[in-house]
Amino acid sequence: AQKITQTQPGMFVQEKEAVTLDCTYDTSDPSYGLFWYKQPSSGEMIFLIYQGSYDQQNATEGRYSLNFQKARKSANLVISASQLGDSAMYFCAMREASLGGSQGNLIFGKGTKLSVKP
Amino acid sequence: NAGVTQTPKFQVLKTGQSMTLQCAQDMNHEYMSWYRQDPGMGLRLIHYSVGAGITDQGEVPNGYNVSRSTTEDFPLRLLSAAPSQTSVYFCASSSIEGQGNTEAFFGQGTRLTVV
Repeated sequence: AQKITQTQPGMFVQEKEAVTLDCTYDTSDPSYGLFWYKQPSSGEMIFLIYQGSYDQQNATEGRYSLNFQKARKSANLVISASQLGDSAMYFCAMREASLGGSQGNLIFGKGTKLSVKP
Repeated sequence: NAGVTQTPKFQVLKTGQSMTLQCAQDMNHEYMSWYRQDPGMGLRLIHYSVGAGITDQGEVPNGYNVSRSTTEDFPLRLLSAAPSQTSVYFCASSSIEGQGNTEAFFGQGTRLTVV
């Protein structure tokens, strides 16, 4: 079974509007972290935002926020006021903290390609 | 501060050839890993290391070898390249903490084509 599921292979959003990228995860580890990375067409992986399983509040970083619903095992990324430069692949990832030596491993979803229309 | 340096950026190999992808980090991170990225598959873990002298297999280790003789370096070796190994390869490093809340820093990627 997939541990990270991103159900939207591709999405379009109008410039200046908000967009939500979906991510659900599956783990029995009580301690885990959830990450979002952006991959523009140039190929590099850019860290956007992190949410810990014990964090009480949703994470925010500038125009990025993470809608964390622990009971639903959901960690959706919200981008407010979309810009043309937001066009990229977006990956959701999880790190399970309690798995001994493998606790550093990131498990990635398959990604969502976001296209921002002018 | 260079972060994670990965070389080369592009490589074309013939089937059966061997090569080493280099990865070095200057952040004194304990954890280093190699991923491959294929269209529609996300990033999949090949091998990882939690410190010098310690390596382990990830999800897709076949056809690859790694070693970790120093904290800084984590090379990935393709023993006998196959067309199925055509992919984009990423090296990543992070600090290991108990809550798993440290971001992974990625190299620029290597686009490998095996013909």
